[in-house]
Amino acid sequence: QQKVQQSPESLIVPEGGMASLNCTSSDRNVDYFWWYRQHSGKSPKMLMSIFSNGEKEEGRFTVHLNKASLHTSLHIRDSQPSDSALYLCAASNMGYKLTFGTGTSLLVDP
Amino acid sequence: EAAVTQSPRSKVAVTGGKVTLSCHQTNNHDYMYWYRQDTGHGLRLIHYSYVADSTEKGDIPDGYKASRPSQENFSLILELASLSQTAVYFCASSEDRSNTEVFFGKGTRLTVV
Repeated sequence: QQKVQQSPESLIVPEGGMASLNCTSSDRNVDYFWWYRQHSGKSPKMLMSIFSNGEKEEGRFTVHLNKASLHTSLHIRDSQPSDSALYLCAASNMGYKLTFGTGTSLLVDP
Repeated sequence: EAAVTQSPRSKVAVTGGKVTLSCHQTNNHDYMYWYRQDTGHGLRLIHYSYVADSTEKGDIPDGYKASRPSQENFSLILELASLSQTAVYFCASSEDRSNTEVFFGKGTRLTVV
């Protein structure tokens, strides 16, 4: 069964700092990675997706993907208190079914 | 933005009772999903459906049934609720194309006592 591992489990960064989150899949058939953000008591919302080797940047958020190692990372620069949330990584190899990791809980300390 | 509505938003059920969670989407999406979320387990897929009148098992289907009577509606049924099924349940939908964004409802907090 496909597994998605995320690290660290929790992370505290100062306001204005850089947060780096990691995610690895054990399924070599995975072709897409997703990052979802879930604020406390809310539903998950997609942040970014990536399927090509390399990096993708959207504002303060950058995602990297290494397909050979099935590793993706999310980097948040100039972190804000509103970025405090649970960050969920998901992977898919059948297009429609997402398998989620257990998440990284990010706290941005003002 | 895509709209997925769940009801009820919270429910307390007794052990051994029957529970039905409902989901309605107005996105005209073919795919619908039920996930459960527990602390330390992220989101786990219970059942999903890609067409009305058909459902598929996800990764943790035991103890759950699903029903898709129309494209818009997808229900999750717990015939005999157990304490271990206390969790937050999310319904979601997506278009019928690979690797498209999945949109989630606001969740139902189910407590089995």
